[in-house]
Amino acid sequence: DVKVTQSSRYLVKRTGEKVFLECVQDMDHENMFWYRQDPGLGLRLIYFSYDVKMKEKGDIPEGYSVSREKKERFSLILESASTNQTSMYLCASGDVYNEQFFGPGTRLTVL
Amino acid sequence: DAKTTQPPSMDCAEGRAANLPCNHSTISGNEYVYWYRQIHSQGPQYIIHGLKNNETNEMASLIITEDRKSSTLILPHATLRDTAVYYCIVRTPQGGKLIFGQGTELSVKP
Repeated sequence: DVKVTQSSRYLVKRTGEKVFLECVQDMDHENMFWYRQDPGLGLRLIYFSYDVKMKEKGDIPEGYSVSREKKERFSLILESASTNQTSMYLCASGDVYNEQFFGPGTRLTVL
Repeated sequence: DAKTTQPPSMDCAEGRAANLPCNHSTISGNEYVYWYRQIHSQGPQYIIHGLKNNETNEMASLIITEDRKSSTLILPHATLRDTAVYYCIVRTPQGGKLIFGQGTELSVKP
């Protein structure tokens, strides 16, 4: 079975902290994605990567950065967490022509 | 990517077929129709996708109209575990990101 794992299911951080969200996939997929999901707003793409060390901004990249040093791992970084970054964060991976597989999500609360 | 329109909610009796409609009147020739669902507090799950022919897998069937302007996802024998939000998405396969609309909240009732 395809597996996309995320480092934490629940995370609580304080305003101003640096936050790392890790995502690992085991299917050798080229593409990896970070979305956030908020009530009434649906899923919105933050960043994606189509190859190691490559990254592209999505629709809402402000306040976030990403890192893809290895093909299987895609990290989302909140340089200085703010309360408006409280959200559900979802990682996905997929080949160019196929469906995307999602991880279980990380529910981040910033106090 | 083309925009999709889905009803916000639907009910279905357990054991009956659930038919979820989706309108995508601006779909272009190289765009596929994808369906995902999201069970509460979980990540979205891929269900099925198609271009113009009807498709079936172990989870569902996808019926696409001849003009490709609408489609229907069919869960043949809905169970309580099928209660979820179902998203219809139109995109090219190499289109990268998925654009999730508001979806249809399906409630399967005993």
